[in-house]
Amino acid sequence: GAGVSQTPSNKVTEKGKYVELRCDPISGHTALYWYRQSLGQGPEFLIYFQGTGAADDSGLPNDRFFAVRPEGSVSTLKIQRTERGDSAVYLCASSVDPTGELFFGEGSRLTVL
Amino acid sequence: GDSVTQMEGPVTLSEEAFLTINCTYTATGYPSLFWYVQYPGEGLQLLLKATKADDKGSNKGFEATYRKETTSFHLEKGSVQVSDSAVYFCALRAGGSEKLVFGKGMKLTVNP
Repeated sequence: GAGVSQTPSNKVTEKGKYVELRCDPISGHTALYWYRQSLGQGPEFLIYFQGTGAADDSGLPNDRFFAVRPEGSVSTLKIQRTERGDSAVYLCASSVDPTGELFFGEGSRLTVL
Repeated sequence: GDSVTQMEGPVTLSEEAFLTINCTYTATGYPSLFWYVQYPGEGLQLLLKATKADDKGSNKGFEATYRKETTSFHLEKGSVQVSDSAVYFCALRAGGSEKLVFGKGMKLTVNP
């Protein structure tokens, strides 16, 4: 399809493990965003890419979280030494440019046991 | 910091009932305001938006007016349908920022 694609849709892991979540944005969209949605809460901003560079990573909660977008298209959110509090739905969105409408993927649900 | 406060649900209505979901915001400057909707099993979608004071956003029978004097952006629909059952999020984007700040969301169920 032509929408934002996120994989995996569900990930269950054990505390302390490393996790990668992938986002494939809409073709041609230069802006890409990661948000985290905990149960009963609205999405919270994590990081924003314009092209290949992270233009704003002020929402990353700590240095266990890292994201890359090496070719300006697909992005990977990486979480090291996962903790139970990292359990949430991780949402990716893309837009044509920073002022354009955001198109969200269905999210990756991460459960840390 | 910037924040959004919205009515929390869940709310259950009968078909054809009137809907209002309250949303107020705190932000520096003049933010853009949005309502997003998440239907069951789908990703968040933009429902409507307003970018300056007194603007009215509308889509699918829903409306919201940007009220600077009351810092509000309440969502209304005159006659809801079963297909409107979803979670509704109010959000803002502050001037000069690329990130959205969301409210907690409100789950609406419409019964036939």
